Amino acid sequence: GAGVSQTPSNKVTEKGKYVELRCDPISGHTALYWYRQSLGQGPEFLIYFQGTGAADDSGLPNDRFFAVRPEGSVSTLKIQRTERGDSAVYLCASSPSGTGTEAFFGQGTRLTVV
Amino acid sequence: GDSVTQMEGPVTLSEEAFLTINCTYTATGYPSLFWYVQYPGEGLQLLLKATKADDKGSNKGFEATYRKETTSFHLEKGSVQVSDSAVYFCAHIANAGGTSYGKLTFGQGTILTVHP
Repeated sequence: GAGVSQTPSNKVTEKGKYVELRCDPISGHTALYWYRQSLGQGPEFLIYFQGTGAADDSGLPNDRFFAVRPEGSVSTLKIQRTERGDSAVYLCASSPSGTGTEAFFGQGTRLTVV
Repeated sequence: GDSVTQMEGPVTLSEEAFLTINCTYTATGYPSLFWYVQYPGEGLQLLLKATKADDKGSNKGFEATYRKETTSFHLEKGSVQVSDSAVYFCAHIANAGGTSYGKLTFGQGTILTVHP
């Protein structure tokens, strides 16, 4: 596709439920990042993939959060037992190589936990 | 630790006014510096970048100079337009020995509103 695509654009879920957020990066980009943006704040790093492997997951807040990228393209961020504090915009970005070149961001998924 | 601090907003200006948004950073190694912009209803877009000391990034009339001595990367524009109304984020990629993975650290964002 022309850019990074994230689905759904909005997700409302009940506290305690499981959610999956999807990211389709730009074709050919080997590096993929997930960030979380709370209201009034800048994005915060969650996890970085180089190919299929999670090279840095130091930003995941706890073990309820998990992400996969099984074929080195599409990635899914999974949140178990959602809490109201998980409400935020989840951003995905991709870049050609992950060495500091420009990252291209999707429009994000706005997650609301009620 | 690595961090980015930018001036608090919101900033409200009249069209054709001069804009400065301050940004300072702390980082290990030799960071690359960025300004991202988020227009209403759109995703984050790279506005400009600088990868080494004294480099000047520029785009769409905006400029920022990488000042290592003051650890700053202030954003400036000589004459703002209504269409510049957006949220602006300063960010860096720390580059300690090349193991940064392109991971961005963002400031909290500055809301800019330009009135006709």
